[in-house]
Amino acid sequence: SQQGEEDPQALSIQEGENATMNCSYKTSINNLQWYRQNSGRGLVHLILIRSNEREKHSGRLRVTLDTSKKSSSLLITASRAADTASYFCATDDNQAGTALIFGKGTTLSVSS
Amino acid sequence: DVKVTQSSRYLVKRTGEKVFLECVQDMDHENMFWYRQDPGLGLRLIYFSYDVKMKEKGDIPEGYSVSREKKERFSLILESASTNQTSMYLCASSLQPYNEQFFGPGTRLTVL
Repeated sequence: SQQGEEDPQALSIQEGENATMNCSYKTSINNLQWYRQNSGRGLVHLILIRSNEREKHSGRLRVTLDTSKKSSSLLITASRAADTASYFCATDDNQAGTALIFGKGTTLSVSS
Repeated sequence: DVKVTQSSRYLVKRTGEKVFLECVQDMDHENMFWYRQDPGLGLRLIYFSYDVKMKEKGDIPEGYSVSREKKERFSLILESASTNQTSMYLCASSLQPYNEQFFGPGTRLTVL
């Protein structure tokens, strides 16, 4: 299946800094979602952005979507140690079926 | 709050054993999913179900089967466990196929 590809694979920053993760995908989509996974746990939904939206905010999270470039970015502002986790983008696939397709994730490490 | 529970957090089985992984959700969701997660490979969809007694193969259904006799319960079955099925198994549910998915805590299965 087509996948979203997150970039970078790993990111290490200091508390208080901003973290930016990118996701690229290959097919047209209805929406794109971002999830967080703390070590050894299930995924938690963070935010959903629809194909007709360009930017969305939720607390310290800012997501952008550029459908012409088939890419999205997740910005976490003023990072905290508790933001240490893996972050995944997930897309639907208009042509393929009825399930989301997840990328391989970006591992974020925030040190205090 | 949606709650998705999985029958075990950790499971150790022998090669050749039949293994049942149970998943229960309490929000009357139509759609349920089973993924496996391996380092460097991200989440891969095994099977999903969009209604009771309905199932669809995902990307990697070989060696697995599923059962959905009741709306709230989706079981993953390893007919004859093999060492290459050692993995983290994640169950999820959603109201609509492309909507936010709610994940269980995961089952880390080791096949010896």
